[in-house]
Amino acid sequence: GEDVEQSLFLSVREGDSSVINCTYTDSSSTYLYWYKQEPGAGLQLLTYIFSNMDMKQDQRLTVLLNKKDKHLSLRIADTQTGDSAIYFCAESTETGRRALTFGSGTRLQVQP
Amino acid sequence: DSGVTQTPKHLITATGQRVTLRCSPRSGDLSVYWYQQSLDQGLQFLIQYYNGEERAKGNILERFSAQQFPDLHSELNLSSLELGDSALYFCASSVGPGQSYEQYFGPGTRLTVT
Repeated sequence: GEDVEQSLFLSVREGDSSVINCTYTDSSSTYLYWYKQEPGAGLQLLTYIFSNMDMKQDQRLTVLLNKKDKHLSLRIADTQTGDSAIYFCAESTETGRRALTFGSGTRLQVQP
Repeated sequence: DSGVTQTPKHLITATGQRVTLRCSPRSGDLSVYWYQQSLDQGLQFLIQYYNGEERAKGNILERFSAQQFPDLHSELNLSSLELGDSALYFCASSVGPGQSYEQYFGPGTRLTVT
């Protein structure tokens, strides 16, 4: 079955790097996503990676994937107060018809 | 702005009532997904439509139904509402299976059942 797990809370200082972690269980043709949700807002797609990739970088964001351990991480370089939000990890599989299964979300708090 | 629109933004109704939530996908997207976000259940997939046809079902209650119209907009119907149905309901769209794996979310409809 599908199960995505994340830690609930992360606090960092402005200018530091943030690393948000996620583990997933399904390995069949999986896409893995990171979404950002600010208070009262919808979900913003940040980036996604296919399960046969190891890494993807997009400006301040770096996604690392450890396929053996089914572990995904999102690194935000030079974290800013505007990065304070809830970050959701999600997976989609072909067997699941590409519907997203979400983790519980990690609340990132950036201290000035 | 993702390009996905949802109406209404807020909805307050009483138990036992029926409501309809509306979603318009991004231009060119054929697939629509509905998700529910609540404090106790988190974000859950409800149902997916592709080009007018139901394609996948998740944890959708029998009291809930959806459809996708020829112009590709979708509606989620919630009936016999209970207090526990209070949640944020999101619609997401994508181009379609095998063509793109990006799902873009609308701003959501916040449903409050009193």
